[in-house]
Amino acid sequence: SAVISQKPSRDICQRGTSLTIQCQVDSQVTMMFWYRQQPGQSLTLIATANQGSEATYESGFVIDKFPISRPNLTFSTLTVSNMSPEDSSIYLCSVLGGSGNQPQHFGDGTRLSIL
Amino acid sequence: AQSVTQLDSHVSVSEGTPVLLRCNYSSSYSPSLFWYVQHPNKGLQLLLKYTSAATLVKGINGFEAEFKKSETSFHLTKPSAHMSDAAEYFCVVSPHGTNDYKLSFGAGTTVTVRA
Repeated sequence: SAVISQKPSRDICQRGTSLTIQCQVDSQVTMMFWYRQQPGQSLTLIATANQGSEATYESGFVIDKFPISRPNLTFSTLTVSNMSPEDSSIYLCSVLGGSGNQPQHFGDGTRLSIL
Repeated sequence: AQSVTQLDSHVSVSEGTPVLLRCNYSSSYSPSLFWYVQHPNKGLQLLLKYTSAATLVKGINGFEAEFKKSETSFHLTKPSAHMSDAAEYFCVVSPHGTNDYKLSFGAGTTVTVRA
C-alpha cells in the first residue's frame, strides 16, 4: 500500500492564524481526501482533493475556511484558516490507490491545538 | 445512504481472553466494510476488509470479521487479546462497485486490555 507522509505531525497555533498541512504520497493515487477528527470523536470528511481543479467540499465545510490544493497525483495541502480553539483537532489525509479500489489508506495525521 | 453503528463505546478485556467488537451497518447499496485501528498518536491502520467475496474475512494481527447480511452485521473478533491491542477501533462502510468513494465511520470502540 502507499506510504503517506503528513507534515507537520503536530502544532500549537495562536487563534486567528492559518496553518498549511502537507500530504505526500510515494506513488500516484487516484483520489486524495482530507478528514477531521475532533477530540474523542470519529472521522468526518472535509473534502475530496481533485487534481487540477477545485476540491469538492462536504456539507458544513467551505473553501474559505479550508482551502485545499492538489497540484499533482502525489501531493495535496489543506490550510486551516483564521483558526479558533474549535479547530483543535486531528487532520488526516487519506488516499485511494491507482485502481480506484477501496480501501483508503491514511496518514498519521496532524494534531493541531489552538490557543 | 449508509451508516454504521458500533454497539459498544468501550470494551475492556483481560490479556489472553477473546475480544468482540460489534458493528451493524445500513446501506442502500451492496456494501464494502472495513475495520480500522487507531493507536495513540497514530493514523488509521486497516485491519481487514470485506468487498463481496468470502463472508469470513481474516485480517492482520489475528483479527477476523464475519459479514452477515441477514443481520446487517460485521463484528470483529480476536481469540486472544494482547496488550498491544489497546487502541481505538472503527467500523467503516462504503458503497461497493460504485464511483462513490465516501466512507461512513462508526463512532469508534475504545479497547483496553488488562494485564
